[in-house]
Amino acid sequence: DIQMTQSPSSLSASVRDRVTITCRASQSIRSYLNWYQQKPGKAPKLLIYAISNLQSGVPSRFSGSGSGTDFTLTISSLQPEDFATYYCQQSYSAPYTFGQGTNLEIK
Amino acid sequence: QVQLQESGPGLVKPSQTLSLTCTVSGGSISSGGYYWNWVRQHPGKGLEWIGYIYHSGGTYYNPSLESRLNISVDTSKNQFSLKLSSVTAADTAVYYCARGTSVARMDVWGQGTTVTVSS
Repeated sequence: DIQMTQSPSSLSASVRDRVTITCRASQSIRSYLNWYQQKPGKAPKLLIYAISNLQSGVPSRFSGSGSGTDFTLTISSLQPEDFATYYCQQSYSAPYTFGQGTNLEIK
Repeated sequence: QVQLQESGPGLVKPSQTLSLTCTVSGGSISSGGYYWNWVRQHPGKGLEWIGYIYHSGGTYYNPSLESRLNISVDTSKNQFSLKLSSVTAADTAVYYCARGTSVARMDVWGQGTTVTVSS
């Protein structure tokens, strides 16, 4: 199985901060990297697919980058509604594994 | 707008079979082009992909669950289902169904249903 490792596991930040979350795959996953946002008691929501493509309806303050094994999710200016848990996921090879999550909290 | 809704028992006894159904509305499973996934989340933990089924009935399962797992589709009811046999407390989780484009890029999710395995 491909292991996905996110860092940090938790992060405290303030509104209007710029935040970056990283995700590393245990082997190359080409461009098959997706990012999800999950709020407590809710289903995950697809934010970014194929490294850097913004899902329809997702604000442009979210962006993704990277290649091969190393990827990042950046939120350019945190808004109150962005405090949530973020997961990366590889859709390159089954089983389609997720990172352990990054809990983004209000400072 | 496509919506997914999970249904099934919230409590299952150990060693029995967990059965869940996902009803798709606002779109047809038969139209093809999508993969219909199950994902679970253990209490306070991360996400685990369980498996998917295509409208034609083709499936792919997580090897860690494959021996106990069956995913099926009923296009006449616009539903797909999950059956997980010989459950233990380790199968206690929130179970989500999700539509996958390009296999496992999951763009539409159900709200999730909590399943507890306990006697």
